[in-house]
Amino acid sequence: QKEVEQDPGPLSVPEGAIVSLNCTYSNSAFQYFMWYRQYSRKGPELLMYTYSSGNKEDGRFTAQVDKSSKYISLFIRDSQPSDSATYLCAMSPSNTGNQFYFGTGTSLTVIP
Amino acid sequence: KAGVTQTPRYLIKTRGQQVTLSCSPISGHRSVSWYQQTPGQGLQFLFEYFSETQRNKGNFPGRFSGRQFSNSRSEMNVSTLELGDSALYLCASRTGLNTDTQYFGPGTRLTVL
Repeated sequence: QKEVEQDPGPLSVPEGAIVSLNCTYSNSAFQYFMWYRQYSRKGPELLMYTYSSGNKEDGRFTAQVDKSSKYISLFIRDSQPSDSATYLCAMSPSNTGNQFYFGTGTSLTVIP
Repeated sequence: KAGVTQTPRYLIKTRGQQVTLSCSPISGHRSVSWYQQTPGQGLQFLFEYFSETQRNKGNFPGRFSGRQFSNSRSEMNVSTLELGDSALYLCASRTGLNTDTQYFGPGTRLTVL
């Protein structure tokens, strides 16, 4: 079983829709959770970074962590064609000296 | 501030050859991590270097090796290339101290024929 599971999609939504992206994990030691966005032929860029459980909002993006269920989500409101990319979740047990564990990524297309 | 840079951006090699990839981290960052990205496996961690020492290592064979220089620049070497080594190799840097913010470079696309 992989440490981090993520539905690869692909996910296709109309412009303006609310998008929900999810990851599950098995290691209860994970405390730091991240979402990255990767455009084609580019490296991943950090979108959201959260510690422990709870919600974090940044513009149209909301990251949610439920440690009791070992489940994290990224919500995108009012989705735009420019949001079309692959979204990767990542997590780590601590904030220093530990490797990151990544999901395989969900491919999202927002149709104008 | 300049981002993470990787060279070369594209490489084509044949089986059995070896290859060296280079990564320059963001100025002030002392940690450099390397990842292999393939469509089937996603991002897989290779190793992390911090202040010229390997701090973490993933589950890759010994054909994959790396090093870090005193200026934090890092190189990754793959010897005896196999077809399955074809992938996007990504480098990521962070300060390595009390932050988990990791910044990725654009990657090196390696094709093994």
